[in-house]
Amino acid sequence: DSGVTQTPKHLITATGQRVTLRCSPRSGDLSVYWYQQSLDQGLQFLIQYYNGEERAKGNILERFSAQQFPDLHSELNLSSLELGDSALYFCASSSPRRGGYYGYTFGSGTRLTVV
Amino acid sequence: AQSVTQLDSQVPVFEEAPVELRCNYSSSVSVYLFWYVQYPNQGLQLLLKYLSGSTLVKGINGFEAEFNKSQTSFHLRKPSVHISDTAEYFCAVSPSGNTPLVFGKGTRLSVIA
Repeated sequence: DSGVTQTPKHLITATGQRVTLRCSPRSGDLSVYWYQQSLDQGLQFLIQYYNGEERAKGNILERFSAQQFPDLHSELNLSSLELGDSALYFCASSSPRRGGYYGYTFGSGTRLTVV
Repeated sequence: AQSVTQLDSQVPVFEEAPVELRCNYSSSVSVYLFWYVQYPNQGLQLLLKYLSGSTLVKGINGFEAEFNKSQTSFHLRKPSVHISDTAEYFCAVSPSGNTPLVFGKGTRLSVIA
């Protein structure tokens, strides 16, 4: 168990629908990152939150949005879903550490299938 | 913007043979470099990282990597692989601790008995 919890593990939904993916970061981590992993695009950075505020934005579609709540958990909302949105969605967390930077801790991902 | 190139998409190797997975990144003043491993149906797990200091970095499971600034490379090596090393390996770079990691497209290592 990495300490980063993602739910649900699997999600099957129809085109045009909306889904919400949830992530609880590792205890003490303030940053949450969302990545999309697909066979053709690899791991693409979507968005980062730090202590409740948006910090960086990557290749995130306008149909997608995210937020980080006061308890530091984060949700990724995907709407008007298309077949091409089928992918693995990973959440990762990190926090600055005195004397260094230690990279990310990843959750096990949510596999989204749009049919 | 930073970019990472993993030169081999697939690497087959026999058990107990050595392996090198290659990674090149676009140059910057300074970078943090990482290798992650992804086993089937799992998330990514940190293998090792280079932040500063010694250019030879040792990680978990017997892996090591060498940072070469002049060649902008960070190749991953293991002297003797096991079947259990079969997985996808990702190289990643960040210009600083506050910038999101940029990942390569991954190298699938297949260890053959």
